[in-house]
Amino acid sequence: DGGITQSPKYLFRKEGQNVTLSCEQNLNHDAMYWYRQDPGQGLRLIYYSQIVNDFQKGDIAEGYSVSREKKESFPLTVTSAQKNPTAFYLCASSTRGRTYDNEQFFGPGTRLTVL
Amino acid sequence: GQQLNQSPQSMFIQEGEDVSMNCTSSSIFNTWLWYKQDPGEGPVLLIALYKAGELTSNGRLTAQFGITRKDSFLNISASIPSDVGIYFCAGQLRGAQKLVFGQGTRLTINP
Repeated sequence: DGGITQSPKYLFRKEGQNVTLSCEQNLNHDAMYWYRQDPGQGLRLIYYSQIVNDFQKGDIAEGYSVSREKKESFPLTVTSAQKNPTAFYLCASSTRGRTYDNEQFFGPGTRLTVL
Repeated sequence: GQQLNQSPQSMFIQEGEDVSMNCTSSSIFNTWLWYKQDPGEGPVLLIALYKAGELTSNGRLTAQFGITRKDSFLNISASIPSDVGIYFCAGQLRGAQKLVFGQGTRLTINP
């Protein structure tokens, strides 16, 4: 089955620790994205990558870092510099075709709680 | 950043009723997408719209790309319990690579 996997589903960390969230896709999509979702709010873009070894900051990149060493993988690190890291994190991917490259498909999400 | 105004924020309806929600912006969009999110899960793409005036259906769901390119509408007919969830609109601004998301419409259905 093709799809996007995120692990773990739930993650608990102590304040001041860095934590890395995993995102893997086997859809052969070129573009991948990380969003943050807080209660009652829409999705806010953290980082995105259109191609391997390249990525761009989204609207709320401060306190986060990413890497894109493989097409299939786009891990997100939540650093200790992120002031309010507790949130639901969603990974998405899309093609880069002319017409349908905005149809983003989402993983199941990781809920991060910082204690 | 750019935001979409999605309304209503929440809806409480009886099973069998029709539902309407919309998203508006002051900017022109090239693409409109509608997603549904169940609690604790990732959003699922329902309908994609690519042309102004386009009307597209997916089962009981119908969405339209506004003629001004600044708005979009989603209608659900004859609601059933599994329609419960949060519905998000998303759009791609002209000349932009990223999607902009609305804040969501939470749909609750009384049986």
